[in-house]
Amino acid sequence: AQRVTQPEKLLSVFKGAPVELKCNYSYSGSPELFWYVQYSRQRLQLLLRHISRESIKGFTADLNKGETSFHLKKPFAQEEDSAMYYCALIVGNRDDKIIFGKGTRLHILP
Amino acid sequence: NAGVTQTPKFQVLKTGQSMTLQCAQDMNHEYMSWYRQDPGMGLRLIHYSVGAGITDQGEVPNGYNVSRSTTEDFPLRLLSAAPSQTSVYFCASKNAGGYNEQFFGPGTRLTVL
Repeated sequence: AQRVTQPEKLLSVFKGAPVELKCNYSYSGSPELFWYVQYSRQRLQLLLRHISRESIKGFTADLNKGETSFHLKKPFAQEEDSAMYYCALIVGNRDDKIIFGKGTRLHILP
Repeated sequence: NAGVTQTPKFQVLKTGQSMTLQCAQDMNHEYMSWYRQDPGMGLRLIHYSVGAGITDQGEVPNGYNVSRSTTEDFPLRLLSAAPSQTSVYFCASKNAGGYNEQFFGPGTRLTVL
């Protein structure tokens, strides 16, 4: 079955502490994964994609095929990181069907 | 570019009423999709389209119809609204190809009484 699992509904982290948002996937094909973010009163927007191996706003995510994971990490949390984070997976033959996890709300404590 | 636009922003319906949520994009994207966002359930794919005249079902298609007569527009129809369809609905679009960014609309908050 195709599935994206984000086990934490809410994650509270102190400012300056490391952040790790967990994402696990289930997919029989070669996974293509993304992290999307929704800040308060803003639209959902792309944060990063695994193929780019990029760091956006200090966040990174590494695909671990052995553990079927794509965890999002940041070494030092900032208050502006408070948001809803969604892990997403491309499924389907034409690579255009995208499913999301249930999301994790990240709350940065001052 | 306006990007992805959705109308209306808010809507209240009575059970059994029908309505159409509008979605348009001006980026000439081939791929468009509809999601619903519910607390604790995240984003769930309702229907999607890979081009004009082509639509397909997502994870939760029951109770919803779509059509794609033009590249720009992708309306979502509720034929007989039910309280279980109370949700925030997001439309999104992207260029074809796996790694292209998906752009989201601002959402429509629908309440069915």
